[in-house]
Amino acid sequence: EAGVVQSPRYKIIEKKQPVAFWCNPISGHNTLYWYRQNLGQGPELLIRYENEEAVDDSQLPKDRFSAERLKGVDSTLKIQPAELGDSAVYLCASSFWTSGRDTQYFGPGTRLTVL
Amino acid sequence: AQSVTQLGSHVSVSEGALVLLRCNYSSSVPPYLFWYVQYPNQGLQLLLKYTSAATLVKGINGFEAEFKKSETSFHLTKPSAHMSDAAEYFCAVTLRGTGANNLFFGTGTRLTVIP
Repeated sequence: EAGVVQSPRYKIIEKKQPVAFWCNPISGHNTLYWYRQNLGQGPELLIRYENEEAVDDSQLPKDRFSAERLKGVDSTLKIQPAELGDSAVYLCASSFWTSGRDTQYFGPGTRLTVL
Repeated sequence: AQSVTQLGSHVSVSEGALVLLRCNYSSSVPPYLFWYVQYPNQGLQLLLKYTSAATLVKGINGFEAEFKKSETSFHLTKPSAHMSDAAEYFCAVTLRGTGANNLFFGTGTRLTVIP
């Protein structure tokens, strides 16, 4: 079974440029998460989807970040415009949510460098 | 609020020695607890999780962890370290009965195995 797929794996951009990340979750998983992992830190949740609905986006900086999960399958996370402080690894995870004890499966991440 | 604290950002052990990685949690309701491992340039992989069944949880690669409510701890151990265990380890918590599955991660512990 294929795992969580993310692309691109690496992205280098200049500040003020836009950037987008794509995630395809494990087939059948209804819940999708985007995390940001700063250097030397643990991942922090940005947004959680259940099917097409964003049920928790409280940590998403909405002035520059946006996300969508059309048709409840794959998802795109966008930053526009990017700032130097956005340099991080962006991780996507998916699970089949039932009770909160479910395992989240992570993709390899996209490493973003903003110059 | 819920959180985890990982004591020791770096741990070094000799090959064949005991591995002990510490995690203490803070939670207002009974938690679910997880240990994930992250190899360089890869996503996170679940090692084991505590979901209120047995307090001693066995995971992959010979790791285990014990939930101790009185100490609010969930330390990760392995009797004999292998070179392949060198990685970053993250403890994480989520809450039972809250209708949410948002993982809150610690800051991680980097394990070095000395030949």
